[in-house]
Amino acid sequence: EPEVTQTPSHQVTQMGQEVILRCVPISNHLYFYWYRQILGQKVEFLVSFYNNEISEKSEIFDDQFSVERPDGSNFTLKIRSTKLEDSAMYFCASSGVGSYGNTIYFGEGSWLTVV
Amino acid sequence: LAKTTQPISMDSYEGQEVNITCSHNNIATNDYITWYQQFPSQGPRFIIQGYKTKVTNEVASLFIPADRKSSTLSLPRVSLSDTAVYYCLVGDRTGGYNKLIFGAGTRLAVHP
Repeated sequence: EPEVTQTPSHQVTQMGQEVILRCVPISNHLYFYWYRQILGQKVEFLVSFYNNEISEKSEIFDDQFSVERPDGSNFTLKIRSTKLEDSAMYFCASSGVGSYGNTIYFGEGSWLTVV
Repeated sequence: LAKTTQPISMDSYEGQEVNITCSHNNIATNDYITWYQQFPSQGPRFIIQGYKTKVTNEVASLFIPADRKSSTLSLPRVSLSDTAVYYCLVGDRTGGYNKLIFGAGTRLAVHP
């Protein structure tokens, strides 16, 4: 079964450092997403991406965040200057186009710890 | 996006059938209903999706009444490994893009 893959699985970074989380969406999917989940809290939508541009972003996705699809297979989330409150599990997801709706499939997550 | 309401937690025993009901009174005509399962420190895993009536796959069934204001996820003969958080989500799927808004989900605990 096709799956969304994410790297790294876990990253520890110093506050103020830049972090890039990487994702390989399912190969024929066209829509890409980042979600995050702070420990013990809900899964939160960050951003959606289609046709090389952001479709929608949440209030969480401020100027410190950016996304990019640098080539035909990768989708990245960059946090420019990490804060302690950025510590969370970050999930990449993707969806395709289908006649019966478009299921979103999630990766296993990248656990980011900011110290 | 339609708001969903589901029980915060449920308990069951191995071998029992578990039914988790979700209400979505403001569901729109183009909205689909999707259920995800999440284990600790893992990404949400798609379980089942439906628009109306009944949908069944190898892991679950989804029952949707005619008014579509609620839906019930049915897990037959649960095992300890079904202990997880289950999310009911509603969203427009007719176009290519859809955004999912997660609630708190239902925390299912399966006991021996």
